[in-house]
Amino acid sequence: DSGVTQTPKHLITATGQRVTLRCSPRSGDLSVYWYQQSLDQGLQFLIQYYNGEERAKGNILERFSAQQFPDLHSELNLSSLELGDSALYFCASSVDFATYEQYFGPGTRLTVT
Amino acid sequence: AQSVTQLDSQVPVFEEAPVELRCNYSSSVSVYLFWYVQYPNQGLQLLLKYLSGSTLVKGINGFEAEFNKSQTSFHLRKPSVHISDTAEYFCAVTPGGYQKVTFGTGTKLQVIP
Repeated sequence: DSGVTQTPKHLITATGQRVTLRCSPRSGDLSVYWYQQSLDQGLQFLIQYYNGEERAKGNILERFSAQQFPDLHSELNLSSLELGDSALYFCASSVDFATYEQYFGPGTRLTVT
Repeated sequence: AQSVTQLDSQVPVFEEAPVELRCNYSSSVSVYLFWYVQYPNQGLQLLLKYLSGSTLVKGINGFEAEFNKSQTSFHLRKPSVHISDTAEYFCAVTPGGYQKVTFGTGTKLQVIP
């Protein structure tokens, strides 16, 4: 158990819908990262937050957005969902902004039908 | 920008035999290197990391990796594998700081009894 929690574990929704994935980092970690893992794209970095502020952006689509709240939990919002958005979404956390050691959550499996 | 290449998508090996999982990287700046393991239906777990200093890095579960700057490689090794090592292994690289982590496509290690 990494100490990072993600909810829900599974999510099934239809195309065009909007969903919110939630992540709680390890106690004391200030930085949160979001990743997408799919069979065709592999593991892709989406976005990083540090203490409430966006710090790094990866291959995140404009239909996707994220935020980190004052209690440090984070949410990833996915809208206008397409079949190709079906994937495992991981959250990771680290103590500070340095990406030297990230602790991954168990992931949320999103299925878009 | 940096990139990571894991040439072997699958590596079958008999139990108690040695194994090497290959990783090559490309970057115009100094980097930090990592190996992560993903067991079925779980998130990623850090095996080991190279930040600086000794080029031979020891990690958890008996794994080690050697940083070779001239060959831009960071191969993962274990002298004797167990059934429980069956998993997918990811090599990752980052310039550090606020820069994103780039993951390789993964190598599935299958340990045969």
